[in-house]
This record gives sequence, structure tokens and C-alpha cells, in this order.
Amino acid sequence: DTAVSQTPKYLVTQMGNDKSIKCEQNLGHDTMYWYKQDSKKFLKIMFSYNNKELIINETVPNRFSPKSPDKAHLNLHINSLELGDSAVYFCASEGAKQETQYFGPGTRLLVL
Amino acid sequence: KNQVEQSPQSLIILEGKNCTLQCNYTVSPFSNLRWYKQDTGRGPVSLTIMTFSENTKSNGRYTATLDADTKQSSLHITASQLSDSASYICVVRFFYGGATNKLIFGTGTLLAVQP
Repeated sequence: DTAVSQTPKYLVTQMGNDKSIKCEQNLGHDTMYWYKQDSKKFLKIMFSYNNKELIINETVPNRFSPKSPDKAHLNLHINSLELGDSAVYFCASEGAKQETQYFGPGTRLLVL
Repeated sequence: KNQVEQSPQSLIILEGKNCTLQCNYTVSPFSNLRWYKQDTGRGPVSLTIMTFSENTKSNGRYTATLDADTKQSSLHITASQLSDSASYICVVRFFYGGATNKLIFGTGTLLAVQP
């Protein structure tokens, strides 16, 4: 069984569109994250949620809005997509001991 | 400023050889340090995690060391295999604002193992 899953795996869209990426974890973890990995392969944290509550919100444009319907899900909605949003977006979850994060397979977003 | 720097940026070695990747950090106060392996097209996977009191931790052919005094960590790969070709990322967790903590990611070392 997949521990952390993301959908879709690939997303190609045009500038100005609104899109959502979904993430689900079946590990029973309380904390979930969204990361952006750019073309230089640098992983940058975007958001962190603990038990459905936002605990980290890095300097991210407000076009990005995370939504956590329950602690097993953390979705990412992006409004008015821009070319610079093209990247790989990773979801991750972490247990209470904060020992390791489990990453999803990534969503490859290409904005044309 | 809290930073995590890795070296080298990229590395090419022959199959069967050993190699060592470096991670220097300026993060304080320190909570733990992790090494992740990220294969091309996949999410990072944890290799080791070390707290302040741990000096060495092994996971198969991977051995991580930590010197909390000099704020340096290394990841040693023994008898490299083609499947070791990946990006290796050092991640440091530190405390800020009391019990709240934060993660800082290094820029990664891209390792290529050639036959």
C-alpha cells in the first residue's frame, strides 16, 4: 500500500488557470507538508499542517492555498497559474516523533 | 542565518568505489539531522536520522557521521552500486520560538555511479 499518494502525477495547464493537487497519507501521521522542487532540484517548504491546522506558511504567494479536510489529506489549490509555478510539488507526512518524513511521488506541474 | 550547505555539488565515481558526501550547517539550536536519497523522478527517501548525541549511524552501505561541535555531517557510501546514482539531501531540524521547530534543506549532492 502506498504510504503517501499524490494526484495527479503530471499536470500540464495554461497560464491563468486554477488547479488543485491532492495528497493523502495512510500512515496515521498528524503533520503533513507541501514542498516545491524547482529545476535546480532544491526542495523548498511551502506549508505545514498539524492536525488540520496550519503551522508553517513560508513566503508563498497567496495564489497558493492549502486545504486540509482531515489529518490524512492535505490538498494544494493554485489560482491564476504563472510560468514560474512550473516545478515538481511534493507532499510529505511526519509522525509525532518528528523522526522522518515520508514523501509522495511528486506532481510534475508544467504551466504553458 | 540558518543554512545547510552540501559538497560537492555533483560527483562521478566508478561502481564499487567508496565516496563521502559532506554537509555543513549553521543551524542553531539543533534538533536532528537527516540524510535523504532522491532517485530521479521520485520523492526523497530517508536514509538516516541523527540527534545531537549520536556520532554515527549506519543503514546498510550508508554510514552517516555527525560532529555537533563543528556542525558537520558526512554520508559515506561503501562499495557503490549503479542504483546509488541519485541526489542526496541533508536536512537539519532546529528549534525556534520555544518548542516550535523548522526544517532547513541542503541543496543536495548529485551522485552518478558509472560501470
